[in-house]
Amino acid sequence: SYVLTQPPSVSVAPGQTARITCGGNNIGSKSVHWNQQKPGQAPVLVVYGDSDRPSGIPERFSGSNSGNTATLTISRVEAGDEADYYCQVWDTSSDQGVFGGGTKLTVL
Amino acid sequence: EVQLVQSGAEVKKPGESLKISCEGSGYIFTNYWIGWVRQMPGKGLEWMGIIYPGDSDTRYSPSFQGQVTISADKSISTAYLQWSSVKASDTAIYYCARHADAARGGDYWGQGTLVTVSS
Repeated sequence: SYVLTQPPSVSVAPGQTARITCGGNNIGSKSVHWNQQKPGQAPVLVVYGDSDRPSGIPERFSGSNSGNTATLTISRVEAGDEADYYCQVWDTSSDQGVFGGGTKLTVL
Repeated sequence: EVQLVQSGAEVKKPGESLKISCEGSGYIFTNYWIGWVRQMPGKGLEWMGIIYPGDSDTRYSPSFQGQVTISADKSISTAYLQWSSVKASDTAIYYCARHADAARGGDYWGQGTLVTVSS
């Protein structure tokens, strides 16, 4: 089955830019979605279709996808952005969804 | 306002049956998919399966195929996740989410249902 690989952790200082990657074989041909999960809360969709934002999600959150890597970029990071972030795709070959292992974003 | 409201926490013994629910409101229930996601204690999200209540089209992850059953009752805008015989390893939080398309991300999520299986 299709495998998505994320770094376990990313650290960034407030005001800086955080980049969280999601690797997969030819992931650039798939549509990637990103979910944010804060402790004790349900996940929230922050980017869908590689780079679109649901209503209510700040413009600081953006996404890109090419080749074997998709990236979630969070600009001007705030303390409130500290959370676990999960990428997700639909694998058409197996007709199922797949999540990455998740990345813990720490704001220093 | 779109809402997905899940049933309350469950405590079960190994071997018991279990059915948890996810009620949708604020939108046309039969026009969107409902997906189910498992989160074991301290672990990441796992995609379990998805159903289209309009025609009951259902897809399962191979990891969960045969282990759980996903269903929906469109007359009461509710999707279900059920087990015939739970195991200790089923202890987890289970989330439902609404999807505009099976391949799209979940745009609204339920609050989660904690399932504890212990003898």
